[in-house]
Amino acid sequence: DQQVKQNSPSLSVQEGRISILNCDYTNSMFDYFLWYKKYPAEGPTFLISISSIKDKNEDGRFTVFLNKSAKHLSLHIVPSQPGDSAVYFCAASAPQGAQKLVFGQGTRLTINP
Amino acid sequence: NAGVTQTPKFRVLKTGQSMTLLCAQDMNHEYMYWYRQDPGMGLRLIHYSVGEGTTAKGEVPDGYNVSRLKKQNFLLGLESAAPSQTSVYFCASSYRPPGQGTEAFFGQGTRLTVV
Repeated sequence: DQQVKQNSPSLSVQEGRISILNCDYTNSMFDYFLWYKKYPAEGPTFLISISSIKDKNEDGRFTVFLNKSAKHLSLHIVPSQPGDSAVYFCAASAPQGAQKLVFGQGTRLTINP
Repeated sequence: NAGVTQTPKFRVLKTGQSMTLLCAQDMNHEYMYWYRQDPGMGLRLIHYSVGEGTTAKGEVPDGYNVSRLKKQNFLLGLESAAPSQTSVYFCASSYRPPGQGTEAFFGQGTRLTVV
């Protein structure tokens, strides 16, 4: 049972436009959500996180929005740059299992010049 | 600053062979993890450790064993490799549990093929 789902395997966006990556979850006990970015042949790197007590967190060009009632979060990248082309993973954890991050399947973002 | 280093980067095993993947971190992190990444599945936690001498099972532990004899090293063992263990393996470490919003640092991965 996939508790964290990224339903779009891939997304293509023009350089300079906004990229929106989506993530849905089923476990209402999740209280922290993180986004990781992965380039080919490298390990994932942390991008941004959000606590369930917030509905928005911003870091430069990256903003994560959390809608708890819909069990949905999204990552906005604006403006999109060619270096943003990568696979993005959404991850979540619950208080009782804080050592365990549950990852989504990933979305491959391609930024076209 | 090396961060998290995995050895080896690539390996091909025959079914039934054994091997050990080594993860080393130089950030004095308490928490260490082994994940596997498969197409369409994201990253799944195999085993983790919350400190030297401790290990615990993750989401997909069957067929794997781990040891954390030294704080900086976390070893993942496959006693009898199976084709289903063909995957990319990632080690990660963090100062606190990653679920508390703390950044986890990942190694570059080990691509394992079992034939």
